[in-house]
Amino acid sequence: NAGVTQTPKFQVLKTGQSMTLQCAQDMNHNSMYWYRQDPGMGLRLIYYSASEGTTDKGEVPNGYNVSRLNKREFSLRLESAAPSQTSVYFCASSEGVWMNTEAFFGQGTRLTVV
Amino acid sequence: DAKTTQPPSMDCAEGRAANLPCNHSTISGNEYVYWYRQIHSQGPQYIIHGLKNNETNEMASLIITEDRKSSTLILPHATLRDTAVYYCIVRVDPNQAGTALIFGKGTTLSVSS
Repeated sequence: NAGVTQTPKFQVLKTGQSMTLQCAQDMNHNSMYWYRQDPGMGLRLIYYSASEGTTDKGEVPNGYNVSRLNKREFSLRLESAAPSQTSVYFCASSEGVWMNTEAFFGQGTRLTVV
Repeated sequence: DAKTTQPPSMDCAEGRAANLPCNHSTISGNEYVYWYRQIHSQGPQYIIHGLKNNETNEMASLIITEDRKSSTLILPHATLRDTAVYYCIVRVDPNQAGTALIFGKGTTLSVSS
């Protein structure tokens, strides 16, 4: 049971380049999330998807777009990367966002924008 | 949103109980208290959650005060592998838009031999 899988694990981008971070879960969860974590900081919510076909903004959505491709997959896209987006990105999933349930996290994507 | 306050860091000797406090004085009646931890740079890991009553599982115990304005996470016999950042999170009212787990800066627990 893989849980939550993120790809890639590491990425270096030049300013202005675009890329998509992939996330997939195999637990049949309804809700999925994208967080970013900067050095010495807690996690900040970028976007989340309460269920297949829906997405909502979190605390820091600017500069990002998301797609809930199907129930398993939730991708995060940076259209024009900026150095301020250098961070570690975590994807998570849970049975339901409206329910008080446990969330499972991936191992993170370490992104550097130069 | 209910906010949480945690000490930035704590130390604990290996084998002793680690008691991590959290204040959440503005918590609403239907909001749960969650605890997660993050070891090194890995993804956060769920520990425990509760509403009113004390809770215990194989990892830890959660003690919530009667007025629900504070709680304590107890790791009964801390090991070196428990060194991590511990996050206390109050589950945002699910009736509000944009709800999900909101993390603060947490408490860095250092367990030493």
